Formats: sequence, C-alpha cells, structure tokens
Amino acid sequence: QVQLIQSGPEVKKPGASVKVSCEASGYNFGSYVIHWVRQAPGQRLQWMGCINAGNGNTYYSQTFQGRITITMDTSASTVYLELDSLRSEDTAIFYCARDQKILVARLELQYWGQGSLITVSS
Amino acid sequence: QSALTQPPSASGSPGQSVTISCTGTRGDVGGYDFVSWYQQHPGKAPKLIITEVKKRPSGVPNRFSGSKSGVTASLTVSGLQVDDEATYYCASYAAKNSWVFGGGTKLTVL
Repeated sequence: QVQLIQSGPEVKKPGASVKVSCEASGYNFGSYVIHWVRQAPGQRLQWMGCINAGNGNTYYSQTFQGRITITMDTSASTVYLELDSLRSEDTAIFYCARDQKILVARLELQYWGQGSLITVSS
Repeated sequence: QSALTQPPSASGSPGQSVTISCTGTRGDVGGYDFVSWYQQHPGKAPKLIITEVKKRPSGVPNRFSGSKSGVTASLTVSGLQVDDEATYYCASYAAKNSWVFGGGTKLTVL
C-alpha cells in the first residue's frame, strides 16, 4: 500500500534552517507529484510547493519563495523540504502528500504523510 | 496569495444537510475546474473527499457532493452523521503552477 513516512519532530532556533524528509513506498516513485503543506497550530492548511518526481520540476508558493527548496533522491524514493530563515510563525506541522493522478499536479492529495512537527523557538 | 474565503463554522443535526461555501476570484475558483475539498479530524491528516469540483474519489460516500457557480464552490454534506464533525477545507488551482487553500470551516453536528 502507498505510504509516506516523514522524519521526526525538530526544534530549531530563529534564523536556522530545517530539512524534512518524506520517504515514499508502495508505488512507482517517479510517476507522481509530491506536495508540501504547512499547518500552524489551530490554523489553516497552506500549500508550500511541489515536485514532479518524474522530471524534478519544482513549483513554489510565493508565500515561501526565496526560502524554500524541495529536492528528491530518486534512489531513496525520498522527497525533501528545506525551509530557511525560520521564524516563530513557522512553528507548524509540515505534511508531504502525493497527488492522485500520474505525472499531473492537481493538488488532489490522496495520500498523506504523518506530518512532521517543527518548533521554532529561542 | 490570499486564502479562499470559507465561513469559519457551520452546523446541522444528524440526518440534515449542510452546505459550505468557498469563495475565490476569477484567478482561482472562477477560472478553473480544479477545486478539491478535504475533511480533517483533530490530530489527523486531511482526507480528500472531492476533486475537480464534483468528483468523489473511490470510497467517499455519495453523501458528499460538490458544485461551483462563478467564483464560489460549495460542498454539501447530506444525511449528516456524527463522524462528519470535522474541519473542511477547499483548495483551488490558482494559475502558474500554484494552489491555494481556504481558511477552513468547522462543521459541528449537533
């Protein structure tokens, strides 16, 4: 079955960077788009960006442009989210999620990781 | 990008129907039929319940239905059940390979 397993919780200081991983299994990794979604405590979902695992193309939200990088390691079936210049408002659960259709980005997120809690605090 | 506008809360009694709205602009909801809806229970990851305005993924009960008119999309939950109590989010394609979520609507089943 499709699984997305994310890295564990982290505590970071303001100004630091964080790299969150999302290991995929149970399907052909290179056939789907993986998105990253942020959810601050008690707040709404926010689309951050995505990567097409077939060709490596990335797309980012303007909200995070300039401090977000999404990469992948095809040999490890793993996608990474790196967020720089962390501030307290970045304290949130970060989810990776897989799109529903092959090689098409639609934000139809059928499969989700368990979420990674990142706490930004001095 | 501004979030799509949803009412913060909605409610209904078991067996009743409730409709949740999601208002955007011509640059997102009004311009594309790529509106999806998610259900999120507390402490859980969201679950996809509607795609492309009105399509239901496999396994989603037909009590959930979607529609769109102009810049406003809607989710209707019919025959409300206790387990439908959750927060519902809409999402839409917003051009140039970007997407936007709504603010979320907390549905209470009275």
